[in-house]
Amino acid sequence: DIQMTQSPSILSASVGDRVTITCRASQSISSWLAWYQQKPGKAPKLLIYKASSLESGVPSRFSGSGSGTEFTLTISSLQPDDFATYYCQQYNNYWAFGQGTKVEIK
Amino acid sequence: EVQLVESGGGLVQPGRSLRLSCTASGFTFGDYAMSWFRQAPGKGLEWVGFIRSKAYGGTTEYAASVKGRFTISRDDSKSIAYLQMNSLKTEDTAVYYCTRDLPTAVTTLGKIDYYYYMDVWGKGTTVTVSS
Repeated sequence: DIQMTQSPSILSASVGDRVTITCRASQSISSWLAWYQQKPGKAPKLLIYKASSLESGVPSRFSGSGSGTEFTLTISSLQPDDFATYYCQQYNNYWAFGQGTKVEIK
Repeated sequence: EVQLVESGGGLVQPGRSLRLSCTASGFTFGDYAMSWFRQAPGKGLEWVGFIRSKAYGGTTEYAASVKGRFTISRDDSKSIAYLQMNSLKTEDTAVYYCTRDLPTAVTTLGKIDYYYYMDVWGKGTTVTVSS
């Protein structure tokens, strides 16, 4: 099974900050990685697929990069609506998620 | 509007069964693979199972934690995907989500592989397994 590890688990930031979340796979997953945003009591929302492709309707301040085993999600200028938990997900071999990164207000 | 609505959740005793439904609208349901995920209280996301579209055989895959106990099926005429859960355990307590899955096809040495990601999620239905 492929294990996904995100860091950090909690990130404290302010509106306007540039934020980066890292996701590592236990083996190469090529570019078969997605990022999701989840707010309390809500379903996950797709942000990025194939490591760097922005889902339609998602603000351009979100971007993804990486391939192989190391990936990043970057929010270029954090907005009030962005405080949430973010999950990476590999879909190279079935599906598995990282443990999540909670972005909270500093 | 593309929409998925889960239903059928509730409180059930350990060892009993429950069937969840995922009703789709706003797209041609039969053209898409579908999946089920779950999220235990205060925990992360876990894949449960997957069903291909009929065009790709309609076959299923399951996570090890539910294999042999859970079964996914689909009724394309009604635009519904089902998750039949048998022999429920307390650790199956979670919010269950269904998703629409989009494929990317990759051809390598004449062999086609498909990689699916989840572009639409339902709002979820809560299953509580407790005596």
